Amino acid sequence: QQQVKQSPQSLIVQKGGISIINCAYENTAFDYFPWYQQFPGKGPALLIAIRPDVSEKKEGRFTISFNKSAKQFSLHIMDSQPGDSATYFCAACTSGTYKYIFGTGTRLKVLA
Amino acid sequence: DGGITQSPKYLFRKEGQNVTLSCEQNLNHDAMYWYRQDPGQGLRLIYYSQIVNDFQKGDIAEGYSVSREKKESFPLTVTSAQKNPTAFYLCASSKASRAFFGQGTRLTVV
Repeated sequence: QQQVKQSPQSLIVQKGGISIINCAYENTAFDYFPWYQQFPGKGPALLIAIRPDVSEKKEGRFTISFNKSAKQFSLHIMDSQPGDSATYFCAACTSGTYKYIFGTGTRLKVLA
Repeated sequence: DGGITQSPKYLFRKEGQNVTLSCEQNLNHDAMYWYRQDPGQGLRLIYYSQIVNDFQKGDIAEGYSVSREKKESFPLTVTSAQKNPTAFYLCASSKASRAFFGQGTRLTVV
């Protein structure tokens, strides 16, 4: 019940296309859902996050869609660029517990 | 410049040796974490600390030890009991659910 399932494992997208990464969770106590971007040899960087009181959050080309009833959330990268090529992790957390559960990551490659 | 500093960036350890990875933060965050990342895999929690002088085991604590004597510092010791220590180690800190990571330490057993 503590798992966060992330898919796909890897993704190849043409420049200018839309990249979509999905995550699903079971624990309804989770109330914070961040996405992290990680380049090789670097630490993950917080990209965007959402709480379950909204269904969508947009920051620039990055959008999180959240479906509370289905217990799913997804990251959409619009107009994908080669510089977006990285590994993306979703995560879930319950406020006050300080424990983050991470997905297994999606390796995105954007072709020029 | 605020952030999380991990050192060293690369570390080599001989079998049977203990090594300590440093993690310092100047973000005034209460919570700090250590994660292990293996190639092509996600992040696995080793230890976390919510306040000074207190810490809890994560999912893979065996063979590791930590201390939290100061709010800013959360060092991780990889002991000789850890049978497969070669990995990328990430330290993080958080406040109000927002977690931020350091740049990692790559540990290799030689």
